[in-house]
Amino acid sequence: AQSVAQPEDQVNVAEGNPLTVKCTYSVSGNPYLFWYVQYPNRGLQFLLKYITGDNLVKGSYGFEAEFNKSQTSFHLKKPSALVSDSALYFCAAKYNFNKFYFGSGTKLNVKP
Amino acid sequence: DVKVTQSSRYLVKRTGEKVFLECVQDMDHENMFWYRQDPGLGLRLIYFSYDVKMKEKGDIPEGYSVSREKKERFSLILESASTNQTSMYLCASRDNRSPYNEQFFGPGTRLTVL
Repeated sequence: AQSVAQPEDQVNVAEGNPLTVKCTYSVSGNPYLFWYVQYPNRGLQFLLKYITGDNLVKGSYGFEAEFNKSQTSFHLKKPSALVSDSALYFCAAKYNFNKFYFGSGTKLNVKP
Repeated sequence: DVKVTQSSRYLVKRTGEKVFLECVQDMDHENMFWYRQDPGLGLRLIYFSYDVKMKEKGDIPEGYSVSREKKERFSLILESASTNQTSMYLCASRDNRSPYNEQFFGPGTRLTVL
């Protein structure tokens, strides 16, 4: 069955340091992959997506994500974290017609 | 910019009440979705609609129904609210002309059932 896993409930990083939020997806099929961010009491905002081609995808707010087919991963990265990046991050995969599969979410805490 | 609005940000209802959650999008998207979000469980799909009057069950449709009479509006109905339906409800819409188009989300409705 298709699924998306975010193995870390929470990631803590100091401001200015690089950050990584991990995501893996199940191997059946070739999904389109997405990252969303959710600030407190708000809906999800789209950050970036992988369709095909270059394995490094650049998105909003300085975020990027690295697609690795052999490891079935799509980790979200940023070279230098900001306190304002603190939020809940969701990875999602779309395999077919209309179904999106979401991970359980990772809370990112960036400390000054 | 795509705008997805939800009728209420916060809602408190009593057990057994019929509850209507409304979602409106302004970008003529064919696809609309209702999710519930619970801590540690991520987003779970309740129902989606791929066009007017067309709907499909998601992963957790029990206790819910939906209505899509107009393209821009997708309503979620809790026929008889129960305490286990206390949750954050998120609506989303999507342009289905490309298979890799992303979803656009509303701000969410936090529903408490007492």
